[in-house]
Amino acid sequence: SAVISQKPSRDICQRGTSLTIQCQVDSQVTMMFWYRQQPGQSLTLIATANQGSEATYESGFVIDKFPISRPNLTFSTLTVSNMSPEDSSIYLCSVTPGGRFYEQYFGPGTRLTVT
Amino acid sequence: DAKTTQPNSMESNEEEPVHLPCNHSTISGTDYIHWYRQLPSQGPEYVIHGLTSNVNNRMASLAIAEDRKSSTLILHRATLRDAAVYYCILRDDYGQNFVFGPGTRLSVLP
Repeated sequence: SAVISQKPSRDICQRGTSLTIQCQVDSQVTMMFWYRQQPGQSLTLIATANQGSEATYESGFVIDKFPISRPNLTFSTLTVSNMSPEDSSIYLCSVTPGGRFYEQYFGPGTRLTVT
Repeated sequence: DAKTTQPNSMESNEEEPVHLPCNHSTISGTDYIHWYRQLPSQGPEYVIHGLTSNVNNRMASLAIAEDRKSSTLILHRATLRDAAVYYCILRDDYGQNFVFGPGTRLSVLP
């Protein structure tokens, strides 16, 4: 299994500012994922972050808006840049432990409100 | 990944069995059927997965139709803690991530 923590758990930010969300895993994992869950909606994948390579972004998400760092096998950050109220969502990181392709573990999420 | 169809919501009484259906008529031969659930204010968690045969674990059972075009997640005895959104997802064993649809919101009544 994998235990994932995220910081901050929630934040209220002003329009036009940026917020960096941290994701820490208790074991080394190759693949990490960042998801967004808008109010009342399902999860949408933002990007896949593998250590040692550039993050791969899904359609509709760009690096300038959501830069991601993956400095090692247990840590990643997602920055939400130049925020607008439409960015108000829950942001979740997720990992797939090695050898257990069927099981993806999710962090508790970061609840972001942009005013 | 092939698409799945689930009812938007279902209700169950506490301590009764719950059958959550999922239709996946365009499933391919290499697609596994995965179920995740998301409890209130938490990230999704793995429930069960299967390919062709029915599967049981401590949380639930997965019944897969012979033609694999539908499946049913069975909670044998619903508790209030089982109230969650349940997602049925298809993914082959080479897939990197899970694509979440709207899921089924299960309410459990005391």
